[in-house]
Amino acid sequence: GAGVSQSPSNKVTEKGKDVELRCDPISGHTALYWYRQRLGQGLEFLIYFQGNSAPDKSGLPSDRFSAERTGESVSTLTIQRTQQEDSAVYLCASSLRREGGSGELFFGEGSRLTVL
Amino acid sequence: KNQVEQSPQSLIILEGKNCTLQCNYTVSPFSNLRWYKQDTGRGPVSLTIMTFSENTKSNGRYTATLDADTKQSSLHITASQLSDSASYICVVRDGTASKLTFGTGTRLQVTL
Repeated sequence: GAGVSQSPSNKVTEKGKDVELRCDPISGHTALYWYRQRLGQGLEFLIYFQGNSAPDKSGLPSDRFSAERTGESVSTLTIQRTQQEDSAVYLCASSLRREGGSGELFFGEGSRLTVL
Repeated sequence: KNQVEQSPQSLIILEGKNCTLQCNYTVSPFSNLRWYKQDTGRGPVSLTIMTFSENTKSNGRYTATLDADTKQSSLHITASQLSDSASYICVVRDGTASKLTFGTGTRLQVTL
């Protein structure tokens, strides 16, 4: 696609429910990132996928959070048993990663999650 | 630990005025530094990239500087416009693991 696409754009859920957020990266971009941004705060790294390599999950805050990506396509971020503290905007970014590349990140518009 | 610190945290200026945003980093080894602009409710968009050998780079009314010795960068905005109101985020990439370290951003508000 022309840009990074995320869905849903807004999600309101009840505490304890599971949610699934989707990211469709720019075609051909091998790197994909998930970030969390709480209101008025900076971006927190969650997870990074690079091609078929093992993902860097070092930013996932708890085992309630997981993410998958098949090859160089769509990624899904799943939050199980949501808590109010999970309320945030979840941003996805993709990058054309190549040797010596500058690695500009192209961000989606984000998925705003509200846990009641 | 790699860190990126930005100042000020927030800034309000009158339309037409200039301003300078600061970014100090401890990332080592250094690969590159990017400034992103994030409009409210949108994803960040890259404004400019600075590599080790570059001291200054302009993109329209935006001018970024880099001092690799002191590990400081600045973003200067000339003749500000209302549309410049946004958060400006400094992101540094390290030269080995290629990891990104994000600053918490400077929130700029341009008023009439």
